[in-house]
Amino acid sequence: DGGITQSPKYLFRKEGQNVTLSCEQNLNHDAMYWYRQDPGQGLRLIYYSQIVNDFQKGDIAEGYSVSREKKESFPLTVTSAQKNPTAFYLCASSIGTSEREKLFFGSGTQLSVL
Amino acid sequence: AQSVAQPEDQVNVAEGNPLTVKCTYSVSGNPYLFWYVQYPNRGLQFLLKYITGDNLVKGSYGFEAEFNKSQTSFHLKKPSALVSDSALYFCAVRDATDSWGKFQFGAGTQVVVTP
Repeated sequence: DGGITQSPKYLFRKEGQNVTLSCEQNLNHDAMYWYRQDPGQGLRLIYYSQIVNDFQKGDIAEGYSVSREKKESFPLTVTSAQKNPTAFYLCASSIGTSEREKLFFGSGTQLSVL
Repeated sequence: AQSVAQPEDQVNVAEGNPLTVKCTYSVSGNPYLFWYVQYPNRGLQFLLKYITGDNLVKGSYGFEAEFNKSQTSFHLKKPSALVSDSALYFCAVRDATDSWGKFQFGAGTQVVVTP
């Protein structure tokens, strides 16, 4: 089955540590996204990538970094500069960046601070 | 700037009764509107979208939504709710006139369907 795989499902970060969340898709989609979900706040865009080797900051990029070396993969690193990283992180993709295109989501990673 | 409002944090309904989840939006240009559903500890699943044409849009699992341009609303409806419809529902909008129209999500509405 085609889809988006996020790993790990649960992740714990120690203070001062960088952690990386994995996102892989086999849908052959050009565009990929990272969202952060906090209770009662909906989804906020962290980073997005429209094509390989290109990515753009979203609304809350500070303390995060990404790479897009392959079409299938869009890993997110939560750096030590992100002081409040506890949240549910969702990776998504779309066929293109046309406004008509819907998003496909992974199952998410819950990040918590030890 | 675009925005989405879901005025109800939670909607409670008895199984078999009609379900309505409200959504209003604000965009500069024409809106593309979406509804997604999220089950606990899972990603969002697409339910339906309005791009153009008929104001009444039918989607997955018996859900439908009506686009009302004058009221800038896109309420989600289901004629007869099931216990399995209990989940978190998100409305989202994109601006058709943006060169890259990012999704703006509402805060979500928790639906609780009781037997």
